[in-house]
Amino acid sequence: GEDVEQSLFLSVREGDSSVINCTYTDSSSTYLYWYKQEPGAGLQLLTYIFSNMDMKQDQRLTVLLNKKDKHLSLRIADTQTGDSAIYFCAESINFNKFYFGSGTKLNVKP
Amino acid sequence: DAGVIQSPRHEVTEMGQEVTLRCKPISGHDYLFWYRQTMMRGLELLIYFNNNVPIDDSGMPEDRFSAKMPNASFSTLKIQPSEPRDSAVYFCASQTSGGNEQFFGPGTRLTVL
Repeated sequence: GEDVEQSLFLSVREGDSSVINCTYTDSSSTYLYWYKQEPGAGLQLLTYIFSNMDMKQDQRLTVLLNKKDKHLSLRIADTQTGDSAIYFCAESINFNKFYFGSGTKLNVKP
Repeated sequence: DAGVIQSPRHEVTEMGQEVTLRCKPISGHDYLFWYRQTMMRGLELLIYFNNNVPIDDSGMPEDRFSAKMPNASFSTLKIQPSEPRDSAVYFCASQTSGGNEQFFGPGTRLTVL
């Protein structure tokens, strides 16, 4: 089946940039997503990128997609303590069946 | 809209008991998903429905797990009998057929002693 891999932890200082990386296996992915999970809550969509795009920017968030290497990254500029959460990478092939990574726990130190 | 609603938010039960988790999707959404989140295995898709019909239940771990969707506004996930290894957070999510975002509920934290 599809495999989405992420590193488990990332620690940064407030004001620095954070880069969370993800690799996936299915080259027929239609969309790739970043979801955010705050403590005790469900997942919320942060941003997504269509598979024919290389980059998407949305305020402090930059998503980079390297289709050749099947690599997706999320960069958060000027990271704040409120950005501390678990970030999930996900891919979908048919718009409905999503495959999620295990999540990267981002810790932002003041 | 209130979003996806799940109940209960927390459930503590003893091994061997039946557990029923409930979900109300967002009105108008015709896809409903059940996920399980554990530290060891991350977020796993258990089953999903389209227009109340189960489409893919390949993620359901064992026969002890069953899911139903009797109507467009309600779904249940039942575990009978429950075991300690079923302890996890169970999420329900819903989606429209034309959309590409899944909306998640707050989850049910299940502890089986």
